[in-house]
Amino acid sequence: AQSVAQPEDQVNVAEGNPLTVKCTYSVSGNPYLFWYVQYPNRGLQFLLKYITGDNLVKGSYGFEAEFNKSQTSFHLKKPSALVSDSALYFCAVRVFSNDYKLSFGAGTTVTVRA
Amino acid sequence: EAGVAQSPRYKIIEKRQSVAFWCNPISGHATLYWYQQILGQGPKLLIQFQNNGVVDDSQLPKDRFSAERLKGVDSTLKIQPAKLEDSAVYLCASSLVRTGGTEAFFGQGTRLTVV
Repeated sequence: AQSVAQPEDQVNVAEGNPLTVKCTYSVSGNPYLFWYVQYPNRGLQFLLKYITGDNLVKGSYGFEAEFNKSQTSFHLKKPSALVSDSALYFCAVRVFSNDYKLSFGAGTTVTVRA
Repeated sequence: EAGVAQSPRYKIIEKRQSVAFWCNPISGHATLYWYQQILGQGPKLLIQFQNNGVVDDSQLPKDRFSAERLKGVDSTLKIQPAKLEDSAVYLCASSLVRTGGTEAFFGQGTRLTVV
C-alpha cells in the first residue's frame, strides 16, 4: 500500500518570506514523488518530481523540493513567496509496482498575504 | 502543445439521473486516468487506461459508474444513476507512458452537482 500525508491544511505566509509545504509518504519500495498546484476552477498543474539522484529537485515558478529518505519526507519550498503563489498544493506518490497508481494527499491551502 | 480537454465544465443534475463526461487526452499519450475530487479532499483515482485497456478500476463504483476509451484516444465516464454523494469535480489526466516517474497532465475538470 502507498499513502501520502500533508499534515497542514493551511499555510499562511507574508509575501517575500520563505514558504514550506510539508509532505510525508509511506510506501513499500522506492517512491516517485510529485508536487502539483491547483488554482481556483483549474485542473492540477505539475510543479516538480523526484525520481532518483539529487535529493534537491527544482521545478516551475521557483519552487524546489527536498527528498529525505530517512524521514520519508518531500517538502515543497520557495525561498521568497509571492501573492500569486496562493493556491492549493498536492503531494503525490507512486511506487514501482504493477498498477503505477498515483496517490494524492489531501492538499494544503497556501495563502500569501501582501 | 494542446492540453487535456474535458467537457462539460459544469453539470447540475437531479439524483437518479444519468450523466456523462468526455475527455480528450494530450495527443500521443497512452495512459489516461479519471479522478474524483470531492471538496476538501485530494483526487482519488477511479480508473486508469493503458491505450484502450483498463489497468486499474479497483476504486470505481461499478454498480453505477462506467468508463470506456474507444480506439485508445478519447474517453467517456458515465454515472447512472447519480447519487448526492457523487457531487465532485471529475478530473481527467493523461501521461505519455505508463512508468513510475512520468508525470500526469490534468484537464480543468467537470464540476458535477447532484441535487
